[in-house]
Amino acid sequence: QITLRESGPALVKPTQTLRLTCTFSGLSVTTSAMCVSWIRQPPGRALEWLALIGEDEDTYYSPSLKTRLTVSKDTSKNQVVLTMTNMDPGDTGTYFCARSQGGDCFLDPFDLWGQGTLVTISS
Amino acid sequence: SFVLSQPPSVSVAPGKTATITCEGDNLEKKSVHWYQQRSDQAPMPVVFYDNERPSGIPERFSGSNSGNTATLTITRVEAGDEADYFCQVWDDDSDRGVFGGGTKLTVL
Repeated sequence: QITLRESGPALVKPTQTLRLTCTFSGLSVTTSAMCVSWIRQPPGRALEWLALIGEDEDTYYSPSLKTRLTVSKDTSKNQVVLTMTNMDPGDTGTYFCARSQGGDCFLDPFDLWGQGTLVTISS
Repeated sequence: SFVLSQPPSVSVAPGKTATITCEGDNLEKKSVHWYQQRSDQAPMPVVFYDNERPSGIPERFSGSNSGNTATLTITRVEAGDEADYFCQVWDDDSDRGVFGGGTKLTVL
């Protein structure tokens, strides 16, 4: 069974940097034709796409958050890592990683999601 | 930037048909994906590429995309269909994912 699992701190102070990991089980993060995105959801609100890393570790970011985001792969741990700098209470929400697979990062759906991790930004 | 608009809520009686729309400029030129998110759960896909169903999704779920509007149709609605539904596309002009604001489906 293939699963994705997000992990990271539940509470972060304003201005700190958030680091989240998405651990793959049953599948390698280096699988061909696979892309991994990070998506977040403030409480009671809509989904927001944040970032994507492709098969060749090419990266793409939400234009509004681009200066604060970095996504990378840690192949030794079979993980995808998201860092987000200068956290603000407005960044509070559930953060999901999701896979898309089909050969076209900018066409394929998110067919597999992690369960999400809730991050609260508060002093 | 590309924007997707959904009605905030749709209500339907059990056994009836629910229709959830997603609007965007010239949307028919893009592939639309639909996700169901039950309370406190992760989203799960229910329709891919405008009108394809993932494995395990009942035939009651179907999709279409024409002009500026994509539509998710759920026939013979059941209590278990009560959830938030989000449409999604890729904006290849800006290389980013775009979600609609979500529609809360209430089964009366």
